[in-house]
Amino acid sequence: EAGVVQSPRYKIIEKKQPVAFWCNPISGHNTLYWYRQNLGQGPELLIRYENEEAVDDSQLPKDRFSAERLKGVDSTLKIQPAELGDSAVYLCASSPEASGRSMYNEQFFGPGTRLTVL
Amino acid sequence: GDSVTQMEGPVTLSEEACLTINCTYTATGYPSLFWYVQYPGEGLQLLLKATKADDKGSNKGFEATYRKETTSFHLEKGSVQVSDSAVYFCALASSGGYQKVTFGTGTKLQVIP
Repeated sequence: EAGVVQSPRYKIIEKKQPVAFWCNPISGHNTLYWYRQNLGQGPELLIRYENEEAVDDSQLPKDRFSAERLKGVDSTLKIQPAELGDSAVYLCASSPEASGRSMYNEQFFGPGTRLTVL
Repeated sequence: GDSVTQMEGPVTLSEEACLTINCTYTATGYPSLFWYVQYPGEGLQLLLKATKADDKGSNKGFEATYRKETTSFHLEKGSVQVSDSAVYFCALASSGGYQKVTFGTGTKLQVIP
């Protein structure tokens, strides 16, 4: 079974430029997450999708970040314009169950996209 | 809010040495607790989990016991191998409804032959 796929793996841009990251979750997984991982830190949730609906975007900086998950499968995370402080690893994860369940549903992570903003 | 504190790294051990990585947490209710591992160039993988007090999670020779009285979930292994070199993250999922996951800052383990 293929895992979570992310592209690109690395991206270097100048500040004020736009950038986009793409994620293809594991087939059949309803829930998709985008995390940001700063150097030396743990992942922090940016947004969570249940199918095509963003059900938790409270930590997404909406002035410059946007995300979409068309048809409830692939997802794209965009930053426009990028700032120096956006340099981080952007992780996508997926899990097979919808929200509201009583049991934790394991999240499967992709390898991440390492963004460097110069 | 929920938080996870784990020991800072890096931790450097010789092969076959004993490993303990400390993790304590702050949360309301009864969270589920996890250890994730991140090998170089790869995404995070769930290593083990425990969903209630006194549960012991185990996998690949690693163990951790959910201690509610000390709010701890320390990761242990009796004999580490070079292939265990990775970054280890302690995490919790809040209880009730949607279980949002909170991660610690990670502890890098380097095992030398």
